[in-house]
Amino acid sequence: DAKTTQPPSMDCAEGRAANLPCNHSTISGNEYVYWYRQIHSQGPQYIIHGLKNNETNEMASLIITEDRKSSTLILPHATLRDTAVYYCIVRPLRRYNTDKLIFGTGTRLQVFP
Amino acid sequence: DTAVSQTPKYLVTQMGNDKSIKCEQNLGHDTMYWYKQDSKKFLKIMFSYNNKELIINETVPNRFSPKSPDKAHLNLHINSLELGDSAVYFCASSQDVLSNTEAFFGQGTRLTVV
Repeated sequence: DAKTTQPPSMDCAEGRAANLPCNHSTISGNEYVYWYRQIHSQGPQYIIHGLKNNETNEMASLIITEDRKSSTLILPHATLRDTAVYYCIVRPLRRYNTDKLIFGTGTRLQVFP
Repeated sequence: DTAVSQTPKYLVTQMGNDKSIKCEQNLGHDTMYWYKQDSKKFLKIMFSYNNKELIINETVPNRFSPKSPDKAHLNLHINSLELGDSAVYFCASSQDVLSNTEAFFGQGTRLTVV
């Protein structure tokens, strides 16, 4: 079972920042927060991951609260091509070869013109 | 160049038939996966292979048999297809099972059993 809770859907105007929240109140100290997205009819695409520090890459920023019980994925300037389902996933530091990605229901982000 | 490629992209077949889906990755990764996405869009892992060795088998019916001839390929063979097997199947790979890197997914194979 997924260990995360996300709103089922969100809207965002093109050019504005999209802030996608995720609750992971039962996260353990050795577990990372990963974000993937799935654009319609395509395979999931990795976005970003972090442990406790905020992270930024060319796609997005990840803000993790100090208690690590929640996080926010930020797409700084959303475009129509960012319309997708966004998945927040908690996974442990990969000490075991039985580690796997467990996808929840995600947030469907609709970017409108 | 596609990193993780699956064939075919679409597959329509009758109940009871046997079919295979092929997956190849050119990333040099050691670990490959099969995921199933059903009509409700839930994405669930089926199998994981590391260097041709089965690591994860998520209580998938034994009609599903993955085959890994080498670490760049993980094929999925399905016997006696049932209506409930209709779904999109995604292949994925990651660098190695013990590194904290991302997984790369293929574009999916939409299987329709009629």
